[in-house]
Amino acid sequence: GAVVSQHPSWVICKSGTSVKIECRSLDFQATTMFWYRQFPKQSLMLMATSNEGSKATYEQGVEKDKFLINHASLTLSTLTVTSAHPEDSSFYICSVDRGIAYEQYFGPGTRLTVT
Amino acid sequence: AQTVTQSQPEMSVQEAETVTLSCTYDTSESDYYLFWYKQPPSRQMILVIRQEAYKQQNATENRFSVNFQKAAKSFSLKISDSQLGDAAMYFCAYRSAIRVGNEKLTFGTGTRLTIIP
Repeated sequence: GAVVSQHPSWVICKSGTSVKIECRSLDFQATTMFWYRQFPKQSLMLMATSNEGSKATYEQGVEKDKFLINHASLTLSTLTVTSAHPEDSSFYICSVDRGIAYEQYFGPGTRLTVT
Repeated sequence: AQTVTQSQPEMSVQEAETVTLSCTYDTSESDYYLFWYKQPPSRQMILVIRQEAYKQQNATENRFSVNFQKAAKSFSLKISDSQLGDAAMYFCAYRSAIRVGNEKLTFGTGTRLTIIP
C-alpha cells in the first residue's frame, strides 16, 4: 500500500484566520489526491480532487475560494481553509490515488477547531 | 450518479461470533470496484477488502469475506470470529472503472460495529 501523512494532526485557530493542512504521499508519486471532510458520526464527504500541476476539481457546494487546494508536486497537496469560521470545524482527510484499479490510501486526518 | 446505501447504522456482535454488514448500491455501469473500509476510533481509514465487479468469485481476506451479488447490486461484508479490534465504523464504497473524472469513491453512510466481550 501507500503511506500517507498529514500535518498537522490537529489545529486550533481563531475565527478569521487561515489554516494550511499538508498531505504527503511518502512512498508513491501521486498525480491525484482527494480531500474529504467528515463531521462527527457521519460519512466522508468528498470536497475536491487535487491533480498535480493543474487546478483542483471541486464538488458541488464546496467554496473553491474558501478551501484552496494546491498540488504542487507529486508527493504534496495542501488544503488551506481561508478566513475560517466555527462552522469549518471538522475532520479533514486526504487520500492518495494509485490508479483506477487500486484502492485509495488515506492519511490519518486533521482535526480543525475554529474558536 | 451512483449511490451506496448502508441500512444498518449500528450493529453489535458477541466476541468470536460472526456478523454480516449490508451494503447495496445503484449504478448503470457494468464495470466497477467495491470496497469495505474500516474506521476505528483513531479515525484512520483502513481498507478491509475489495471486489472487482467483473470477478464472480467473492473476495476473502482472512476473517473477512464478501457476498457480492451483482444482479441484486448487493455487497455485504461477513466478519468471522469477531475480535475486539474489529470494533469500528465500516464504510462501503463504490468506484467506477471508467477512467478520467470518475476516480472518486462514493461512500455509504457507515455502520458502527460494536463487539461485546
